[in-house]
Amino acid sequence: NAGVTQTPKFQVLKTGQSMTLQCAQDMNHEYMSWYRQDPGMGLRLIHYSVGAGITDQGEVPNGYNVSRSTTEDFPLRLLSAAPSQTSVYFCASSGDRRNEKLFFGSGTQLSVL
Amino acid sequence: GQQVMQIPQYQHVQEGEDFTTYCNSSTTLSNIQWYKQRPGGHPVFLIQLVKSGEVKKQKRLTFQFGEAKKNSSLHITATQTTDVGTYFCAAGGTSYGKLTFGQGTILTVHP
Repeated sequence: NAGVTQTPKFQVLKTGQSMTLQCAQDMNHEYMSWYRQDPGMGLRLIHYSVGAGITDQGEVPNGYNVSRSTTEDFPLRLLSAAPSQTSVYFCASSGDRRNEKLFFGSGTQLSVL
Repeated sequence: GQQVMQIPQYQHVQEGEDFTTYCNSSTTLSNIQWYKQRPGGHPVFLIQLVKSGEVKKQKRLTFQFGEAKKNSSLHITATQTTDVGTYFCAAGGTSYGKLTFGQGTILTVHP
């Protein structure tokens, strides 16, 4: 099992550009989520999904879109990148409602100039 | 929404000293998890606490959940250089999977 796979690892964008961060898991987990990590702010939830076809907003959803067409994939779309979106992004999944242990991907470091 | 405060933000210790990080919430938590993130890495799950007053140990690490289920702590005995990293608490809420992370405590261990 590869676990949670995120691509790309690094990305530099110009303000206004759009892009998609990819996330895939091969553990048949129903729950997937996206977090951003900024210094001193911990991990903040952007969007999450409890199953294919179901998504919901987290704490900081503005400027981001998600979809969940399959159990395996949960891409995060930046519609028009802004410097405030410079951050490290982590995708995570969980497969057990009783023990919500999160498995994290290796992260994407995004810089918006 | 649910907020979780974690202190301290930074902790520098000499190797062999003990270390504690605290997590506090104004609301009752359904459960609390702890994660460790090595420098340049991703968060890795350590443990989940569910019961009031629960205490769990993993070798030199001791995790506690308060009686009122509003606070938690992680204590490391006799730190080692391999303990360096950021420790996060994550509080479970009323919605499945909607964890709220604390700000994290960055631990530095000087040999």
